Amino acid sequence: DAGVIQSPRHEVTEMGQEVTLRCKPISGHDYLFWYRQTMMRGLELLIYFNNNVPIDDSGMPEDRFSAKMPNASFSTLKIQPSEPRDSAVYFCASSSAGGGYTFGSGTRLTVV
Amino acid sequence: GEDVEQSLFLSVREGDSSVINCTYTDSSSTYLYWYKQEPGAGLQLLTYIFSNMDMKQDQRLTVLLNKKDKHLSLRIADTQTGDSAIYFCAEFLYTDKLIFGTGTRLQVFP
Repeated sequence: DAGVIQSPRHEVTEMGQEVTLRCKPISGHDYLFWYRQTMMRGLELLIYFNNNVPIDDSGMPEDRFSAKMPNASFSTLKIQPSEPRDSAVYFCASSSAGGGYTFGSGTRLTVV
Repeated sequence: GEDVEQSLFLSVREGDSSVINCTYTDSSSTYLYWYKQEPGAGLQLLTYIFSNMDMKQDQRLTVLLNKKDKHLSLRIADTQTGDSAIYFCAEFLYTDKLIFGTGTRLQVFP
């Protein structure tokens, strides 16, 4: 298995633009997690899915953030409109029930 | 509540042992994990311990768990420069969420 695949690796966008981050989990994993990592706040859980259904989105900062998982092999995290304070590394991770998480390599987002 | 705390920095000489400490607050944790993050990379699972165990050894890594004090530690024997990274402990809750600590940056100098 190629592991958890995230794209793009790097994204630079202007304030106000829409940004879409993508994630392909490991086949057979039924949990998918989106995290954000910054120097100030460390690793923050934004949202997670179980069997494609969002279970807990309490970490999503505000309405500008949305996440979807249309099928077991794909998820997106969208920010619209983006702001400079959204600059961070966004990680996707997947797991099976009770298992350790496997993380993707992350997307480094810079909003200027 | 859900809170996992770690010291921010640790500096050791190559060849010495490193001990990274972690405290957590939720006694319902079932598993506790250690992850390693190298620069520019995602988090990599290093090892884990089930909550009814006191110790687990895996090559150079030793995990100690004191459930009474809610204290977890990771010992790296014979620390090498390649061990320089950020180390995260995490507790796995019944809600299927992993709660991560703040991370400890380990610097190994020759």
